[in-house]
Amino acid sequence: QVRLVESGGGVVQPERSLRLACETSGFDFSNYGMHWVRQAPGKGLEWVGMIWYNGGNKYYGNAVRGRFTISRDNSKNTLYLDMKSLRVEDTAVYYCAKGGSPGDTTGCHNWGQGTVVYVSS
Amino acid sequence: DIEMTQSPSSMVASVGDSVTITCRASQKISFYLSWYQQKPGRAPQLLVHAASTLETGVPSRFGASGVGTDFTLTITSLQPEDFATYYCQQTFSPPHTFGQGTKLEI
Repeated sequence: QVRLVESGGGVVQPERSLRLACETSGFDFSNYGMHWVRQAPGKGLEWVGMIWYNGGNKYYGNAVRGRFTISRDNSKNTLYLDMKSLRVEDTAVYYCAKGGSPGDTTGCHNWGQGTVVYVSS
Repeated sequence: DIEMTQSPSSMVASVGDSVTITCRASQKISFYLSWYQQKPGRAPQLLVHAASTLETGVPSRFGASGVGTDFTLTITSLQPEDFATYYCQQTFSPPHTFGQGTKLEI
C-alpha cells in the first residue's frame, strides 16, 4: 500500500535552514505530483507547494515562496523540502502528500504522518 | 490567489443528524475542489476530489456537489466517527489554497 514517511523535523533557530525528506513506497513515485502541506499548532491546513512528477514544474504558497524549495529524486522515491531563512511562524507539522496525477490537479490523495518543525531561539 | 471560504466554521450536531458544509471560491474553479476530513492528532484524509467523486472506502452517507464557485459536502445520518474537522481545497490554480476548516462537534 501507499506509504509516505517524513523525516528531518526538529528544533531550529530563526534564520537557520532545515531539510525535510519524505520517503515513499507502494506506488510508482515517478508518475505522480507530490505536495507539502503544513499545519501550525491549533490552526488549519496550509498548502506549502507541489512538484510535478518529473520535477519540471514547482509551485509554492505565498508564505514560503523564495525561502522554500521542493525537489525530488525519482531514483530514490524521495521528496524533499529545503527550508531556509526560517521564521517563528514556520513552526508547524509538515506533511508530504501524494497527488492523484502527474501534474496533479486532484488534491492530496495520500498523506504521511507528518514531521514537526519548531522554530525558536 | 483564490480564496476559499467555508461555512460554518464550527457546528454542533448529534448522531443521526444530517449536516451540510459549504465552500465558496473567490473565483470560478470549475470542478477542481477536494474535501478532507481530519481527526485530532491525525493526518488529513481525502474524502472527495473533482467536487463530487468519493474516494474508495468513503461511506455512502457522504455526498458532495458543486461547480464554479459554490460547493457542498453533506453527511447524512451522522456517525460518531464523523465528528472531525473538514477542509475544502481548490486545485484549479496554484497555490492550491485550503478553506479555514469546519469543526463538526457533538
